[in-house]
Amino acid sequence: DAKTTQPPSMDCAEGRAANLPCNHSTISGNEYVYWYRQIHSQGPQYIIHGLKNNETNEMASLIITEDRKSSTLILPHATLRDTAVYYCIVRDSGGSNYKLTFGKGTLLTVNP
Amino acid sequence: NAGVTQTPKFRVLKTGQSMTLLCAQDMNHEYMYWYRQDPGMGLRLIHYSVGEGTTAKGEVPDGYNVSRLKKQNFLLGLESAAPSQTSVYFCASSRWTSGRDIQYFGAGTRLSVL
Repeated sequence: DAKTTQPPSMDCAEGRAANLPCNHSTISGNEYVYWYRQIHSQGPQYIIHGLKNNETNEMASLIITEDRKSSTLILPHATLRDTAVYYCIVRDSGGSNYKLTFGKGTLLTVNP
Repeated sequence: NAGVTQTPKFRVLKTGQSMTLLCAQDMNHEYMYWYRQDPGMGLRLIHYSVGEGTTAKGEVPDGYNVSRLKKQNFLLGLESAAPSQTSVYFCASSRWTSGRDIQYFGAGTRLSVL
């Protein structure tokens, strides 16, 4: 699976959009981009995933650049409960690599 | 719909003791996983299962055994606990569809080995 690079920490004001970047410059054509988050002391939680098109669900939006070398997770209206570590994970769609490779992620702190 | 349930939530063991962690899922998922997370680190895969009766080793399998006798349950065993196994253990389950899978995680088991 391709390696990902994320900033170690970011701050965001409550009610504002949080934009979390991820670099995955070595991504290959059959690899998906997944985002998970882990709120302190809890199990990781799936947020969203995409291959090449932008995606949106009830939690967030995922913007993938045209060359697929980077992506941005957008939380449109961050709340205090969105304070968590956010993990960007690139994963082969072939189904032979079952593990999720969690790096250090980005600690997003939403401030009142 | 409970999702993924892990028991126990906390446990303290002495070196050399044994225990079994239970993971149960009610989503009829084929795939189940055991991860461990150490302070300040990401999750590492211990063992996984792609279906009832099958198991396979992950990144850090030494010192652990697993069993998947029923589709909904995945057990993680420590035969002789060591302080290095002090960690938070997470179970997950998923279903692969069209080259994608979403893993659903339990709340974790916090294990201390003294």
